[in-house]
Amino acid sequence: QVQLVQSGADMRKPGASVKISCRASRDTFAGYFIHWARQAPGQGLEWIGGVGPMSGETRSAPKLQGRVTMTWDPSINTAYMELSRLTSDDTAVYYCAGETFRTNVKCFDSWGQGTLVTVSS
Amino acid sequence: QTVVTQEPSLSVSPGGTVTLTCASSTGAVTSGSFPNWFQQKPGQAPTPLISDISNRHSWTPGRFSGSLLGGKAALTVSGVQPEDEAEYYCLLYFGGAQPWVFGGGTKLTVL
Repeated sequence: QVQLVQSGADMRKPGASVKISCRASRDTFAGYFIHWARQAPGQGLEWIGGVGPMSGETRSAPKLQGRVTMTWDPSINTAYMELSRLTSDDTAVYYCAGETFRTNVKCFDSWGQGTLVTVSS
Repeated sequence: QTVVTQEPSLSVSPGGTVTLTCASSTGAVTSGSFPNWFQQKPGQAPTPLISDISNRHSWTPGRFSGSLLGGKAALTVSGVQPEDEAEYYCLLYFGGAQPWVFGGGTKLTVL
């Protein structure tokens, strides 16, 4: 199981961007995908997107396409999620989560501790 | 837009059994939906419980089990403990432009 450690809380003004990091405890491997999800105050979880460290493939939720960028830095086993043109609706705890996949398996087996992003003027 | 529906809330007595379900607006949940279940307690990150319908993680207590039931994914908790009071989320795979969708969550209360 890979341990995931996220960057600390952040506050941004409307219209700005935020970039959150998610460091994996060891080298990732083929068949591993890092997802991002968020949870607005008092609300449920929302899938944002993800990046495949080995494949470089990225996917994002249609409602956030054009505003979200997900990347992976292999030199430090760290994933990044950048969200631009922030509004107050983007205030949430953002999580990274690891998925191990292979034929007939898609297993979410680790989560970061969460990063609170507050958007306020 | 694909919607995944869970019971908003359920209650159960200690020692009892409760089943939470997870339905898809596109039709029956199948093995190809790769249902994953998570437990979340207040102020904490979600904890993975079940993957791929019924596979427990090494840390998942044996009283938690997953299945497909009547076209839905299901999470059954047998012999409920007070510490099982939490929010439970399912996650389904759809592929395409929106490959993963979370359910709205079920708040489980242990009375």
